[in-house]
Amino acid sequence: ETGVTQSPTHLIKTRGQQVTLRCSSQSGHNTVSWYQQALGQGPQFIFQYYREEENGRGNFPPRFSGLQFPNYSSELNVNALELDDSALYLCASTGQGSNEQYFGPGTRLTVT
Amino acid sequence: TQLLEQSPQFLSIQEGENLTVYCNSSSVFSSLQWYRQEPGEGPVLLVTVVTGGEVKKLKRLTFQFGDARKDSSLHITAAQPGDTGLYLCAGGGGAQKLVFGQGTRLTINP
Repeated sequence: ETGVTQSPTHLIKTRGQQVTLRCSSQSGHNTVSWYQQALGQGPQFIFQYYREEENGRGNFPPRFSGLQFPNYSSELNVNALELDDSALYLCASTGQGSNEQYFGPGTRLTVT
Repeated sequence: TQLLEQSPQFLSIQEGENLTVYCNSSSVFSSLQWYRQEPGEGPVLLVTVVTGGEVKKLKRLTFQFGDARKDSSLHITAAQPGDTGLYLCAGGGGAQKLVFGQGTRLTINP
């Protein structure tokens, strides 16, 4: 069984640029959640996707957007990057009927 | 707004000692998870507790969910250097968002 994978591992962008992060969910998992983890903090919920529709959103501005594809993989897009967007971005997948989320290794985004 | 507070935030002890980490909230959670995270990696799920008063054991780790489902604790017996890491509690899960505590950074010194 393949676990949650994310790409890229690391990314450096300049303020004002746009970025796309990718996540492949664990086999059989149809729900994907995205979290932002700033240094020294616990992860903060960005949004969740279920069957290609957004299924809940945290306190993040509209420049954070996402997609889920028919194979349940997902993308997180961030426009107009700000310095405070520098963080570890985590993707987690959940199976049907489960209350457990399994995390990928994350993408470390640095905005300069 | 649901919040989880973990204590202590930092803990450094000697190998062989026992320790307890606490996770408290004023809100009721349907379930609570404990994760361990290594530097540069994603959190790894250790356990999920669902029922008030539930106790689960994972080798030297004992997890307890409060009777009112508002708090939880993690107790480690005879800590080893391999237990070093960031321990996170999180409420909710599944089709719900996870609300995380700020984490407890544990260091076990040989």
